[in-house]
Amino acid sequence: AQKVTQAQTEISVVEKEDVTLDCVYETRDTTYYLFWYKQPPSGELVFLIRRNSFDEQNEISGRYSWNFQKSTSSFNFTITASQVVDSAVYFCALMDSNYQLIWGAGTKLIIKP
Amino acid sequence: DTAVSQTPKYLVTQMGNDKSIKCEQNLGHDTMYWYKQDSKKFLKIMFSYNNKELIINETVPNRFSPKSPDKAHLNLHINSLELGDSAVYFCASSLRTGRNGYTFGSGTRLTVV
Repeated sequence: AQKVTQAQTEISVVEKEDVTLDCVYETRDTTYYLFWYKQPPSGELVFLIRRNSFDEQNEISGRYSWNFQKSTSSFNFTITASQVVDSAVYFCALMDSNYQLIWGAGTKLIIKP
Repeated sequence: DTAVSQTPKYLVTQMGNDKSIKCEQNLGHDTMYWYKQDSKKFLKIMFSYNNKELIINETVPNRFSPKSPDKAHLNLHINSLELGDSAVYFCASSLRTGRNGYTFGSGTRLTVV
C-alpha cells in the first residue's frame, strides 16, 4: 500500500535552531515522486520541492535542505537557523504511478522568538 | 496574475442551503482537483478532472457535484449543506502527470451553522 508517515505531529523550537522534519513513505512503485508543501498560518499551500525516485542527490535551497534516502524510504526536510516566518504546517506527499498524491498528516512547526 | 483562484475565500451558511465554490486556473494545466482539509489539517482528495473529464471521484456524498465547463475551470456545488461539511476546500491544478506538483488556490473556508 502507498503511504506517507510524518510521525512528528508538532515540533517547537527557538528561533535560530536547526530543525528536521521527518517523512517516511511506502510504495511498490519503482518510479515515483516526492514533494514537500508548506501551509503557513494564512492557509495557502505552497510548493517547496519535488524529487523523483531516481535522483538521490540532496538538495539545498537557502536555509532549506532535503535528504532523500531510498534505502530507508525517507525524505527528510531540514531548516537551518530557523526563523519565526518558518512557522507553518509542512506536508510531505508521494505521487504514485496513477499520478495521485498521497499526503502525510503534516507536521506543525512552531518557531518561538 | 493569480495562478489558481477560488472564490469565495470565506463562506458562512446555514444547514440545508446549497452553495457553490468557483475555481479558475490560468497556468495552462489540463487537470484540476478539489481537496477537503478538515480541522486536523488532513488533506483528502475529492475529485479530479482532466480536460473536463472526471478521473477521480472519491467516496464523497453525492450532495457534492463538481462541474468543469472547460479545462481552466472546476466548480464545486454542494447541496443540502450539513454541519460536517465545514472545512477548508482547496482547488488545485497540474499537468496530467502531476510530476511538477500541484498548484493550489488559497482555499475556501466553509462554515455551516
